[in-house]
Amino acid sequence: DTGVSQDPRHKITKRGQNVTFRCDPISEHNRLYWYRQTLGQGPEFLTYFQNEAQLEKSRLLSDRFSAERPKGSFSTLEIQRTEQGDSAMYLCASSLTLTQTSDLWNEQFFGPGTRLTVL
Amino acid sequence: QQPVQSPQAVILREGEDAVINCSSSKALYSVHWYRQKHGEAPVFLMILLKGGEQKGHEKISASFNEKKQQSSLYLTASQLSYSGTYFCGTEPPGNQFYFGTGTSLTVIP
Repeated sequence: DTGVSQDPRHKITKRGQNVTFRCDPISEHNRLYWYRQTLGQGPEFLTYFQNEAQLEKSRLLSDRFSAERPKGSFSTLEIQRTEQGDSAMYLCASSLTLTQTSDLWNEQFFGPGTRLTVL
Repeated sequence: QQPVQSPQAVILREGEDAVINCSSSKALYSVHWYRQKHGEAPVFLMILLKGGEQKGHEKISASFNEKKQQSSLYLTASQLSYSGTYFCGTEPPGNQFYFGTGTSLTVIP
């Protein structure tokens, strides 16, 4: 397996446009996470999935953001009506949780990220 | 909720040691440590769980004081490859994950 992949790697868009990013996790991983990172800051948690279920969504995430993981494999993150403040690196990560009842976060494997620039 | 790290930045010569601290205002289930090199994604270093269990990949060590909600990462005999930004990640009760403020480490020859 080649690790977590993200597409596109770079996206430039105009304010008000919608954008969609894709993440393909490591194949046997059941958890998938989305983060946003701006220059000089640590990654900021957005949301995560266990299989196809979205278990948590950050309160900081506005209604313009939506994420899906329809078959428990790849995931998409959509931003509607983009704003300049959305410009950031969007990181996806995946992990393997060995038990269905485990609340603990296991080591996360990150993809290379999608850099979004909103003009 | 974001854990605070100290120092913000440190410069070392090869072979020197460093300690990076992470402090949370919330009770924690676990503490994670990641390193991120410029222009790259974060890479996992270590997890420390309540009760003392640890899991890591590299020859580094860390501690987790559950009562104080603090963790420290110990980098000994530093190498040039250790350069990067180190983030702790904390898992308080409640299904979210918080990365710390980051510590920039530069190792010079």
